[in-house]
Amino acid sequence: AQSVTQLGSHVSVSEGALVLLRCNYSSSVPPYLFWYVQYPNQGLQLLLKYTTGATLVKGINGFEAEFKKSETSFHLTKPSAHMSDAAEYFCAVSGYNQGGKLIFGQGTELSVKP
Amino acid sequence: GAVVSQHPSRVICKSGTSVKIECRSLDFQATTMFWYRQFPKQSLMLMATSNEGSKATYEQGVEKDKFLINHASLTLSTLTVTSAHPEDSSFYICSANTRRSSTDTQYFGPGTRLTVL
Repeated sequence: AQSVTQLGSHVSVSEGALVLLRCNYSSSVPPYLFWYVQYPNQGLQLLLKYTTGATLVKGINGFEAEFKKSETSFHLTKPSAHMSDAAEYFCAVSGYNQGGKLIFGQGTELSVKP
Repeated sequence: GAVVSQHPSRVICKSGTSVKIECRSLDFQATTMFWYRQFPKQSLMLMATSNEGSKATYEQGVEKDKFLINHASLTLSTLTVTSAHPEDSSFYICSANTRRSSTDTQYFGPGTRLTVL
């Protein structure tokens, strides 16, 4: 079984500040981990993913995430927030034997203050 | 990159009518497509997995007779909400796996906003 927990349904940062969105997972098989972003009334866009190999993953728009097996975490970070980063962010988990099914976390709404 | 489209983007219908939503993979063949439902300010709930040429696999609690899914080709899956009621109003999102990837990357459509009056 797999599950995802995103700590904090809403995160607010100032423009230029560090962005940290937390994600912890549970998986009985080696996980594939994803971060997606959703803008209002739109579908999801892949930010980055971890499958195997390097545990620090770089994605689009300056975001990166680190897979930490010992902590079962996959937190998303960005050194300097932009106003355009304001959106809903979803962490998701899958696995090689899951037929592509994604299990999503509850989502974290990121607000960026000027 | 892989592109998934949905049509219509928004639909309003009367209670008791049926609504069909199309999901297309535009530049790749998708053996597997997924249908999600999203309520306001909530996460995506997987409704069913659609495999080309076979019956869809529904998640627990999803009524297969109410949400009819057809995956007639490698680029098209349809979701039909039958006898829609106001509680079916939601944001429906499809996604597809690209055959080029073995790492279960899904590409999402832009979603369809269904409002049942």
